[in-house]
Amino acid sequence: DTAVSQTPKYLVTQMGNDKSIKCEQNLGHDTMYWYKQDSKKFLKIMFSYNNKELIINETVPNRFSPKSPDKAHLNLHINSLELGDSAVYFCASSRDWRGAGPDTQYFGPGTRLTVL
Amino acid sequence: RKEVEQDPGPFNVPEGATVAFNCTYSNSASQSFFWYRQDCRKEPKLLMSVYSSGNEDGRFTAQLNRASQYISLLIRDSKLSDSATYLCVVTPPSGSARQLTFGSGTQLTVLP
Repeated sequence: DTAVSQTPKYLVTQMGNDKSIKCEQNLGHDTMYWYKQDSKKFLKIMFSYNNKELIINETVPNRFSPKSPDKAHLNLHINSLELGDSAVYFCASSRDWRGAGPDTQYFGPGTRLTVL
Repeated sequence: RKEVEQDPGPFNVPEGATVAFNCTYSNSASQSFFWYRQDCRKEPKLLMSVYSSGNEDGRFTAQLNRASQYISLLIRDSKLSDSATYLCVVTPPSGSARQLTFGSGTQLTVLP
């Protein structure tokens, strides 16, 4: 019973291609996120959606386009892949997008993208 | 200045040792604080929240000093299974979207 799942786990592709990563959560959470972890292991927020609405959009090239068909899914489509896009992409979800107290984010297992 | 700064390590300690990690954050209005753990080639997982009064969970003790904008994690009686990267995490002020801001992580290896 995986709480946050991502597909594919590994993705190897050529420069210039377009690819998508899918994410699903079965926790009933309202908010989902995409993070990128680069080769130096630094984990950085890319996007966040709350109930299918975009609430965070960090400085990310517009080749990256998130899509949330419903609040349980947040997919990431990447156009014209570049070498620098090689990284591990983590999806996460949380109960709420803001509040007074701590909230836990649950992460998916990650998608390791390699651009050749 | 990075929003969250950690000593990257690596820390190599023998089993049974006590080890402490430190973290500083730049936004004095940051609201919530956490330590996450990330095993090699795995996703980050919440280890513990950090409260101003300090909190303990078994062998792990977390402290927060808001005045100094400083967070710490103490691991007592280290086990081999504690080997991982420990990520210091903060959230923005209340009312803002709750993105987690991660430090770059401190790598711990516990040696037999």
